[in-house]
Amino acid sequence: DAGVIQSPRHEVTEMGQEVTLRCKPISGHNSLFWYRQTMMRGLELLIYFNNNVPIDDSGMPEDRFSAKMPNASFSTLKIQPSEPRDSAVYFCASSPLMAGGSPLHFGNGTRLTVT
Amino acid sequence: QKEVEQNSGPLSVPEGAIASLNCTYSDRGSQSFFWYRQYSGKSPELIMFIYSNGDKEDGRFTAQLNKASQYVSLLIRDSQPSDSATYLCAVKPNNNDMRFGAGTRLTVKP
Repeated sequence: DAGVIQSPRHEVTEMGQEVTLRCKPISGHNSLFWYRQTMMRGLELLIYFNNNVPIDDSGMPEDRFSAKMPNASFSTLKIQPSEPRDSAVYFCASSPLMAGGSPLHFGNGTRLTVT
Repeated sequence: QKEVEQNSGPLSVPEGAIASLNCTYSDRGSQSFFWYRQYSGKSPELIMFIYSNGDKEDGRFTAQLNKASQYVSLLIRDSQPSDSATYLCAVKPNNNDMRFGAGTRLTVKP
């Protein structure tokens, strides 16, 4: 199994530009999660989807952030316009949707730097 | 109150010793508990999960859960320098999303 695939691995952009992060979950996993990790705030849940439907987006910092999951094999996280405080590592993770809870499998992350 | 709390450390133990990592959580209805290891610059990787009160052992790792005290711990026996990493406690409050603690940085000294 290829695991969760994220792209790009690194992104450097200037303040005000649009940034799009991409994620392909593990085949058969029907829950997908976007996290942001910084030294100061740790690993924060931004949004998660079950069966392509957004369930909880309360962690999305503000309207500049948006996430979509048009099908079971692809999701995007978009920041428009980007700001220096958005600099962080963004992780996508997926899991099966099962009663009793199942572990998350993480992608390698996208390191975003906004100058 | 944070949903999942961990001592940030750093925790330093000598090689061969037992490392004890602790975690408390606020949602009493939580049912699933996880420990992840994260090396610097890498993504979190699952070490263990536990659903029931008591101990669960996997090789050198033992997870302990006490739902009454809302407490989860991870013991690492015979610690090795390769165990040096940040350990993240995670809790699933409603079987869907997963909330992480800030992590405890462990250093195992040769």
